[in-house]
Parts: sequence; C-alpha cells; structure tokens
Amino acid sequence: DIQMTQSPASLSASLEEIVTITCQASQDIGNWLAWYQQKPGKSPQLLIYGATSLADGVPSRFSGSRSGTQYSLKISRLQVEDIGIYYCLQAYSAPYTFGAGTKLELK
Amino acid sequence: QVQLQQSGAELAKPGSSVKISCKASGYTFTSYYISWIKQTTGQGLEYIGYINTGSGGTNYNEKFKGKATLTVDKSSSTAFMQLSSLTPDDSAVYYCAEQSWFAYWGQGTLVTVSS
Repeated sequence: DIQMTQSPASLSASLEEIVTITCQASQDIGNWLAWYQQKPGKSPQLLIYGATSLADGVPSRFSGSRSGTQYSLKISRLQVEDIGIYYCLQAYSAPYTFGAGTKLELK
Repeated sequence: QVQLQQSGAELAKPGSSVKISCKASGYTFTSYYISWIKQTTGQGLEYIGYINTGSGGTNYNEKFKGKATLTVDKSSSTAFMQLSSLTPDDSAVYYCAEQSWFAYWGQGTLVTVSS
C-alpha cells in the first residue's frame, strides 16, 4: 500500500497567518492527491483535487501544490472558519490511503 | 444537489452483523462508484473499498476482506455495507462517499460494538 506521511500532526496559527501542511507519498502518485477539511461531528469536505485544483465553493485562500512526491496545502490568510483537521488522500491506486491528519488550531 | 443519506447509529453485540445503507439522490446513481471509509480516533481514516453501482463489481482493501461486504440496489439508488463478526475494534464512524474524488460524503453512521 502507498503510505502518506502527513506533517505536522498539529499546528497552532494566528488569524491572517499563512499555513502550510504537507504530505509525502511513499511512491510516485502523479497528481492523484486530494485534500479534505473536517470539522467536529461533520464529514470531511473536499478542498483540493488533482493536487492543485480547487473544489467548487472552496475559498481561493486555499491552494495545493506538488513537488515530486511531496504535496502541500496552503492557506494564505487563516480565518476562524478554517479551524479543523486536514487530511490528504492518495487516489492513485487502491487501497486509497489517507494521511494521519493535521489538527489546525488558533493561537 | 448530490446527497448521500446514511442509516442511523447501530449498537451491536460482539459476533453479530450490521448492515448500513447509503441512499443517493440528486444525480444518476450508476454514474459514480460508491466508496466506504472507516474513521476511528486511533486509526484516522481508512479506506474499506468501493462498489461499481452499475455492475455491482467490488474492490476491497485487503484489511477489510471478510469483514465488509458491499452491495447495491439500483432500484432504490442505495448502497449497502454489511459488517460481520463484529468486535470492539469495529466500533467507528463509517462513511459512504461518491467515488469521484470523494466530493460528496454521507453524514456518517456510528457503529458501537459492545456486550
């Protein structure tokens, strides 16, 4: 199975700050990478798909990038509503695998 | 709009089975596969497998073979997941999701296994 190593496990940031979360794939997955946000008691919500494409309705302060087998999610100006847990997902080959998650909190 | 409506919480005894449903609406049911995902506090999100809603063909994560059985009823646009031989380790929230980048998720079904 493809392993997705996500970091950091937790992150505390201030409003308007730039936040970056990364996922390292254990092998080449091309652009088959998605990012999700999950809030307490809710289902995960798709933010980014295809490594860099913004999902419908997602604010433009979210962006995704790729460098080889490392993928990043960037929040350009952190807002209160961005607090939650973020997960990456590789959809290159089954079984699809998720990163362990990054818990984002307000400083 | 696309919606996936899951059945309610289940309390089951060890050794028993449960069957969770996921009713789709707002799109042509057979256009997208349905995947199932397990979420626990300790293990995070785990991919169980998917079902081809048109043919009924399935693909399972090796870890869940023998544990989960995925089926579909096209007439009611509903996908099902049966979990068998339940143990406390099967206690989790289970989600169905539309296969295309998991853009749409059900609300989750809490399964609690306890004697």
